[in-house]
Amino acid sequence: DQQVKQNSPSLSVQEGRISILNCDYTNSMFDYFLWYKKYPAEGPTFLISISSIKDKNEDGRFTVFLNKSAKHLSLHIVPSQPGDSAVYFCAASVSIYGNQFYFGTGTSLTVIP
Amino acid sequence: SQTIHQWPATLVQPVGSPLSLECTVEGTSNPNLYWYRQAAGRGLQLLFYSVGIGQISSEVPQNLSASRPQDRQFILSSKKLLLSDSGFYLCAWRLGRRTEAFFGQGTRLTVV
Repeated sequence: DQQVKQNSPSLSVQEGRISILNCDYTNSMFDYFLWYKKYPAEGPTFLISISSIKDKNEDGRFTVFLNKSAKHLSLHIVPSQPGDSAVYFCAASVSIYGNQFYFGTGTSLTVIP
Repeated sequence: SQTIHQWPATLVQPVGSPLSLECTVEGTSNPNLYWYRQAAGRGLQLLFYSVGIGQISSEVPQNLSASRPQDRQFILSSKKLLLSDSGFYLCAWRLGRRTEAFFGQGTRLTVV
């Protein structure tokens, strides 16, 4: 059972515009969320995280928004750059359990120059 | 600084052969360790995690097993590979709760 879902397998955005990647989850006990970026044949690299006590976290061009009532989080990339082209995964965990991360299926972002 | 090593980078194995993938972490102590698999066109599936030496938790029943013989060493094994074991295997570590996990470069396993 997929507890973390990314319903858009792919997204294309023009360079300089905003990229919005979405993620939905079903487990209401998830309270720590992360976004990872992955290039082919490489391991994912951490981008940004958010705790459930917040609804927004910013780091440079990357902002993550969390809507707990809707069980939804999103990653905004502004402005998008060609180097951002990669697969983006969201992940979630229950911090009181501490151990498992659950990942979504990924969204492939293409930034068009 | 902490680093994670995973090898080999690529592996082609015949059906029915054994498997051993190794992962080691440097620069930290008592990490949580993870094995994930990314099958073609799919997301990252958690296979095993370990919170300490000899402590292994399995997320899904499968043809694979894991062991943690030392604090910073995590091994993924199989006695007899199946075609369905093909995929991209990733090792990761993290310290404690509410922290990010750091991934190795992965092993591309093709079972033929």
